[in-house]
Amino acid sequence: GAVVSQHPSWVICKSGTSVKIECRSLDFQATTMFWYRQFPKQSLMLMATSNEGSKATYEQGVEKDKFLINHASLTLSTLTVTSAHPEDSSFYICSARQGAINQPQHFGDGTRLSIL
Amino acid sequence: GEDVEQSLFLSVREGDSSVINCTYTDSSSTYLYWYKQEPGAGLQLLTYIFSNMDMKQDQRLTVLLNKKDKHLSLRIADTQTGDSAIYFCAVVTGTASKLTFGTGTRLQVTL
Repeated sequence: GAVVSQHPSWVICKSGTSVKIECRSLDFQATTMFWYRQFPKQSLMLMATSNEGSKATYEQGVEKDKFLINHASLTLSTLTVTSAHPEDSSFYICSARQGAINQPQHFGDGTRLSIL
Repeated sequence: GEDVEQSLFLSVREGDSSVINCTYTDSSSTYLYWYKQEPGAGLQLLTYIFSNMDMKQDQRLTVLLNKKDKHLSLRIADTQTGDSAIYFCAVVTGTASKLTFGTGTRLQVTL
């Protein structure tokens, strides 16, 4: 149980394009979803927290107009990287949690984004 | 804010026990997790412990929590080559809804 699917797993695109990454909870309802960014050989950096039907809460220093987050249903959240540039290249990982903060977060397999 | 630290690297021989350590700074931390990350993959939840517990055992995994010293450890018994990965501890503090991750420990298992 508690499976989170993230798609695509790897994307390469040209500078200036927008890229959408999907995060789905397959066997549970995710009241809260999280988006992280991970640089090589580093820990995870939280970008934003989203609750179903609400606007996402972004961490300090994360541009909300650059990283658009939508959490339209209890099983789907999307992250759109708008007008992507090479510095946006990274490993993006989503997680989902069912219920309150005493429940663990379950993670997707990540998306490797490469901007040329 | 919360600061979570781990040693960067641990090497053990196959069949030995591994102990991965984690320290945190906020004494109001309530939920503490261990995750495993293999190369190019997401994070797999291994186990977790609540702050009202001192120990939790789950098959080959044993978690110890020392609240006084704000120290968390993960012991892996009979370590196998498949256990080679990066291990992250993560902590929920107070009423915050988010996890603070440690720096990650790379476990290398040698034959």
